[in-house]
Amino acid sequence: DAGVTQSPTHLIKTRGQQVTLRCSPKSGHDTVSWYQQALGQGPQFIFQYYEEEERQRGNFPDRFSGHQFPNYSSELNVNALLLGDSALYLCASSPAPRTDIYGYTFGSGTRLTVV
Amino acid sequence: GENVEQHPSTLSVQEGDSAVIKCTYSDSASNYFPWYKQELGKRPQLIIDIRSNVGEKKDQRIAVTLNKTAKHFSLHITETQPEDSAVYFCAAIKARKLTFGKGITLSVRP
Repeated sequence: DAGVTQSPTHLIKTRGQQVTLRCSPKSGHDTVSWYQQALGQGPQFIFQYYEEEERQRGNFPDRFSGHQFPNYSSELNVNALLLGDSALYLCASSPAPRTDIYGYTFGSGTRLTVV
Repeated sequence: GENVEQHPSTLSVQEGDSAVIKCTYSDSASNYFPWYKQELGKRPQLIIDIRSNVGEKKDQRIAVTLNKTAKHFSLHITETQPEDSAVYFCAAIKARKLTFGKGITLSVRP
């Protein structure tokens, strides 16, 4: 089953560094959304990509940026890491907005620890 | 933007009893309401969903109800089992953006 795959699964970075997280969507999905889940909290929407463009963005600073590739896979980049960026980063894929289907599928996440 | 409130934040029930988790949302334009179960260290898993043109949906021991006028929706779990213990998130979608509540920790006592 070609579900949503994320890499790496765990990552430890130092304050001030930069990190890139990767996501491959479920087969048949072409929209990718990224979420940050701090410990004990609900996932917070970072941004959403469709047709290689950022379509929607949550309340996250410009240090958070992304990209979507022609094969629909996506990257999340975070610059100038802060301790508060430590969280589980979840990628979710969904069918194209032109469809009337809302099936969000989540990856297993990348656990980022900033020290 | 959309704001989803979830309450209570923790819930403990005896095995075999029912559990009800309630959520409210703020934006009447939201049109799809999924519920996710997340076990420790794992991804959120969709357990049931409901569209805004439906008032109730049931799947075995799980049901969801939606009151669009009051902007409330609830998850009902009957005959709870220890494996139902997890964090449950309600969410709402507007314009393809999924907004989560803060989650509730359900504990089912054997």
